[in-house]
Amino acid sequence: NAGVTQTPKFQVLKTGQSMTLQCAQDMNHEYMSWYRQDPGMGLRLIHYSVGAGITDQGEVPNGYNVSRSTTEDFPLRLLSAAPSQTSVYFCASSYTPGGGQADTQYFGPGTRLTVL
Amino acid sequence: AQTVTQSQPEMSVQEAETVTLSCTYDTSENNYYLFWYKQPPSRQMILVIRQEAYKQQNATENRFSVNFQKAAKSFSLKISDSQLGDTAMYFCASSDSGTYKYIFGTGTRLKVLA
Repeated sequence: NAGVTQTPKFQVLKTGQSMTLQCAQDMNHEYMSWYRQDPGMGLRLIHYSVGAGITDQGEVPNGYNVSRSTTEDFPLRLLSAAPSQTSVYFCASSYTPGGGQADTQYFGPGTRLTVL
Repeated sequence: AQTVTQSQPEMSVQEAETVTLSCTYDTSENNYYLFWYKQPPSRQMILVIRQEAYKQQNATENRFSVNFQKAAKSFSLKISDSQLGDTAMYFCASSDSGTYKYIFGTGTRLKVLA
């Protein structure tokens, strides 16, 4: 059981470049999410998904796209990278017990992204 | 709006002593979960403890326990017999019913001193 995996672990981009952060889980969780972590701001939700084909925006969605074609995978796309997107990105997954909420989240190891 | 507030940016405690980290939250829902996560220097986020709002009994996990005050919307974490390995950032989080949104506080950096 690999849990939640993320690639790459580190990435440096130039302003305007695009890239995709990969996330996969093998726990058959319906709920998957992406966060960014910035100093002094905790983790902020970018996008989340409650199943294949279903995605929604979190607190800070601008500049990011997601899709969910399978239960296992939830990639995050940066369309045109900006220095303000320099951050640590975490993917997470969880079981959904019903009632429209997520339970304990299992996190990937994170990706440190620097945009020059 | 769903919010989570941690008012202690940094704390320190002597090894073997007890420390309490504070968290307050706001929600209009009756059904929600509350969590404490730990982030050691390795950066990996790890669940410490979980509380279901409809359960009045405070959750405990070995040396970790919570003081859940639903009316006051307070959810503090108590660490007993602190160990050097407890040095980490601690995040409080809430998950409301009906929204699928998970909200984290800004974190408390805890340092355990030898």
